[in-house]
Amino acid sequence: EAGVAQSPRYKIIEKRQSVAFWCNPISGHATLYWYQQILGQGPKLLIQFQNNGVVDDSQLPKDRFSAERLKGVDSTLKIQPAKLEDSAVYLCASSLGTRQGIADTQYFGPGTRLTVL
Amino acid sequence: AQKVTQAQTEISVVEKEDVTLDCVYETRDTTYYLFWYKQPPSGELVFLIRRNSFDEQNEISGRYSWNFQKSTSSFNFTITASQVVDSAVYFCALRYNSGYSTLTFGKGTMLLVSP
Repeated sequence: EAGVAQSPRYKIIEKRQSVAFWCNPISGHATLYWYQQILGQGPKLLIQFQNNGVVDDSQLPKDRFSAERLKGVDSTLKIQPAKLEDSAVYLCASSLGTRQGIADTQYFGPGTRLTVL
Repeated sequence: AQKVTQAQTEISVVEKEDVTLDCVYETRDTTYYLFWYKQPPSGELVFLIRRNSFDEQNEISGRYSWNFQKSTSSFNFTITASQVVDSAVYFCALRYNSGYSTLTFGKGTMLLVSP
């Protein structure tokens, strides 16, 4: 079974530029997550989708970050404009999410390492 | 509020030594789930184990074992006879059983196993 796919793996941009990341979850997984992992820290949730609806985006900096999940499958995360403090690894994860309240396991992609100069 | 504490920032061992990674959690919920993930240098978080709050049985999987103690709110992870390939950052995470709740991660413990 194919895992969570992400691209690109690495991205270097200058501050104030825009950038987009793509994620393809495990087939059949209804729930998709975007995390930000700053060096030396654990992942922090940015946004969670259930199918193509947003379940939790309370920690997403909405003035510069946006995300969408068209047709309930692939997802893109965009940053515009980027700041120096956005330098981090952006991880995408997916889970079955078939029943609310049941702890299903999240499976992670390889991440995109973003460097903002 | 939920919190996961991994007090050990970095551990260095020599191959074949046993090593224990500590995880202490805080939650007010009676039903919750605990996880361990491994993050090798490649960056991908690899799922290792999930435990629910009603199951305090210790678990062993090959060289890996987990000790869950609700009395001390701990979920420790032991690697027996460590190998160089075990070198990675290990994360403990907590999820409570309510709605679409998400994972709360600790800061991770970097394990370096030298030959």
